[in-house]
Amino acid sequence: GQNIDQPTEMTATEGAIVQINCTYQTSGFNGLFWYQQHAGEAPTFLSYNVLDGLEEKGRFSSFLSRSKGYSYLLLKELQMKDSASYLCAVLDSNYQLIWGAGTKLIIKP
Amino acid sequence: GAVVSQHPSWVICKSGTSVKIECRSLDFQATTMFWYRQFPKQSLMLMATSNEGSKATYEQGVEKDKFLINHASLTLSTLTVTSAHPEDSSFYICSAGGPGGNEKLFFGSGTQLSVL
Repeated sequence: GQNIDQPTEMTATEGAIVQINCTYQTSGFNGLFWYQQHAGEAPTFLSYNVLDGLEEKGRFSSFLSRSKGYSYLLLKELQMKDSASYLCAVLDSNYQLIWGAGTKLIIKP
Repeated sequence: GAVVSQHPSWVICKSGTSVKIECRSLDFQATTMFWYRQFPKQSLMLMATSNEGSKATYEQGVEKDKFLINHASLTLSTLTVTSAHPEDSSFYICSAGGPGGNEKLFFGSGTQLSVL
């Protein structure tokens, strides 16, 4: 079956760095997305990786290893507003989006 | 966890035809369902909020006569793209509030619509 795993919840301190991992097993692969979602709101697109490696975009970076079925989202210089859920989603060979359950990130002062 | 099933996953149609997309909550009742549209590498754009038994609430700029939403039961909402045109080609995604409410949403797998 198709499966995406990410931690349910993580806690970090303001100003610190946090890495949110995502592992996947899907029927084919056409890219991996990271979204940020605040409670009750639509998700916001953060990144899209289809090739191996690290992509940096400001305070957020996303890494992909297709051979390992693994990605991570790295958040630097954490701010209180970064408290949200972070969703990992994979586009499979049929162009269906397979969603992870999301990681709730709690930022403490 | 809660599961949202969306069908079809992929549809190709001719310009001028209508396409219906279904979104079902399989193991919970969803009073509210949401419909989104996503262009490549962009955020999900909320199109409308669908409430069971009442008319959908559309976001500004979304044509309600073109994108018909029906939420006739607590487990099913449908989006019909009427008289589809090539510019309607996009990835459409639905989501539903889980058993605890809308704070946590569960997403369908999306429908890639290609209009020729």
